[in-house]
Amino acid sequence: AQTVTQSQPEMSVQEAETVTLSCTYDTSESDYYLFWYKQPPSRQMILVIRQEAYKQQNATENRFSVNFQKAAKSFSLKISDSQLGDAAMYFCAYRSAFSRAAGNKLTFGGGTRVLVKP
Amino acid sequence: NAGVMQNPRHLVRRRGQEARLRCSPMKGHSHVYWYRQLPEEGLKFMVYLQKENIIDESGMPKERFSAEFPKEGPSILRIQQVVRGDSAAYFCASSPTTASSYEQYFGPGTRLTVT
Repeated sequence: AQTVTQSQPEMSVQEAETVTLSCTYDTSESDYYLFWYKQPPSRQMILVIRQEAYKQQNATENRFSVNFQKAAKSFSLKISDSQLGDAAMYFCAYRSAFSRAAGNKLTFGGGTRVLVKP
Repeated sequence: NAGVMQNPRHLVRRRGQEARLRCSPMKGHSHVYWYRQLPEEGLKFMVYLQKENIIDESGMPKERFSAEFPKEGPSILRIQQVVRGDSAAYFCASSPTTASSYEQYFGPGTRLTVT
């Protein structure tokens, strides 16, 4: 079974600075998808960024970028120019690329709380 | 296009009562997933359904929990004889019909409190 680990319970960042959240995962599969979700106090799960394992290029979405190291099974999220609205829980998630029954579920890490100081 | 709808948003039940949580997927989506989030934890997969079929229920507790996604109407997650440990946020997600699609769109969740 796949597991996702987020080792940082909480990270604090000054407004306009950069913060990096770590995520490691364990899988025996060669093809999969990785995601970062944001959960603000409203509890709505918002997709921040996704990465296909077969793509070597790291995904970017505006101020959000990832560092995907497939061999190391590492998938970190970098938030640049942090804003007060970035304060939230961030969850890393894994999904198999195989379109079978068990491949459709998302496996989440335990989350990292990001605090943004004005 | 309306997003994934869940109701109620908040549900309070006494121990031993039944809880029914509803999820209406996005228009055109026929895949529904239920996840549970205990306080201060990540989301845990419970069950994956397509219309009229349970595809993967490997995350569902063996007793008291059931789920359905009928041909017409919303998906229902049903918890019988609730206990305090069932208190959690329950999220529904949906994805499009195409098998190659991999993004799941989440609803706002139902917060269940068992007193």
